[in-house]
Amino acid sequence: EAQVTQNPRYLITVTGKKLTVTCSQNMNHEYMSWYRQDPGLGLRQIYYSMNVEVTDKGDVPEGYKVSRKEKRNFPLILESPSPNQTSLYFCATRGQGRDEQYFGPGTRLTVT
Amino acid sequence: SQKIEQNSEALNIQEGKTATLTCNYTNYSPAYLQWYRQDPGRGPVFLLLIRENEKEKRKERLKVTFDTTLKQSLFHITASQPADSATYLCALGHAGNNRKLIWGLGTSLAVNP
Repeated sequence: EAQVTQNPRYLITVTGKKLTVTCSQNMNHEYMSWYRQDPGLGLRQIYYSMNVEVTDKGDVPEGYKVSRKEKRNFPLILESPSPNQTSLYFCATRGQGRDEQYFGPGTRLTVT
Repeated sequence: SQKIEQNSEALNIQEGKTATLTCNYTNYSPAYLQWYRQDPGRGPVFLLLIRENEKEKRKERLKVTFDTTLKQSLFHITASQPADSATYLCALGHAGNNRKLIWGLGTSLAVNP
């Protein structure tokens, strides 16, 4: 079954404690992206990757890092989380030459 | 700045009726427009894509129109069912490398039995 998986699905952490949210896809898609979704602000892109070892900033990259060492994985790293990074995070993928995106189930992060 | 507006108020309709959701945009010339469905706490699910040179697209009970003069897309669900209750997001895209999407805030649809 084609899918995008994220882990963890829920996370409560404290300010400053480094964390990683993993994203994995089995569709061999080149493009992967991270979004955050907040009430009243909608979906905003954090980082995206066009292919292995190719990443670029989206609209709200501050406080986040990403890496793309393998085609299937695109982890999101928060080196020093702050309460304003409390949000619902989604990983999304897109196939070569395609425009529709496939989203993961989401990770609800709370930073206290 | 680029702006997308969707009906901010929730839409309540009776089962069997046609639901019509609106997506208006300004200061943008999209290459295509997409509609997604999102259930609470879950990731958006792609429904339909319509390109700038297309007027209408259909998929089963779903229909999308795209009027680049009015800068508006309409999303219709015919013969609506309670299972269609969800939030519907529109997203505008351009043809650059990132194919970056500009997202609306979504419209909540409730179909009452």
